[in-house]
Amino acid sequence: EAGVAQSPRYKIIEKRQSVAFWCNPISGHATLYWYQQILGQGPKLLIQFQNNGVVDDSQLPKDRFSAERLKGVDSTLKIQPAKLEDSAVYLCASSKNSNQPQHFGDGTRLSIL
Amino acid sequence: QKEVEQNSGPLSVPEGAIASLNCTYSDRGSQSFFWYRQYSGKSPELIMSIYSNGDKEDGRFTAQLNKASQYVSLLIRDSQPSDSATYLCAVNMENNNDMRFGAGTRLTVKP
Repeated sequence: EAGVAQSPRYKIIEKRQSVAFWCNPISGHATLYWYQQILGQGPKLLIQFQNNGVVDDSQLPKDRFSAERLKGVDSTLKIQPAKLEDSAVYLCASSKNSNQPQHFGDGTRLSIL
Repeated sequence: QKEVEQNSGPLSVPEGAIASLNCTYSDRGSQSFFWYRQYSGKSPELIMSIYSNGDKEDGRFTAQLNKASQYVSLLIRDSQPSDSATYLCAVNMENNNDMRFGAGTRLTVKP
């Protein structure tokens, strides 16, 4: 079974620029998550999708972050404009449903200069 | 009160000892609980899931759940240096059906 695929692995941008991350979940997984993990902290849920609908985006900074999962499969997360405090690893995870274990991708390490 | 709380550590144990990792959560209605291991620079990987009160064993790992006390723990028997990592507790919150992670406990197993 192929795992969760994420790209890019690394990204360096200057503040106020925009960036996008892509995630392809495990086939058949209805639930998709985006997390932000700052060094030394646990993953912080940004947004959770069930198929192509949003379950929870209460911790997503909506003035600069956006995410979509239009066809209920892969997903993109965008930051525009980026701030210095957005430097983190962005993790995508998927699960069969919201009560099942999540499987994580390798993450995207974002550095803001 | 944080939704999921863990002692940040570091927790240091000698090789061969039992490592005990603890986690408390705020949502009394939560039903699904998970332990993940995260090596430095890597993504979290699932170790155990537990859904019912009591103990669940898998090899050297035992997860313990007490819903009345809103407490879940992970025991690692015969700890090995390769067990050195950060251990994350995750809870599926009933109130909004999404996942919350603790900050993680860093474990070091000394040879």
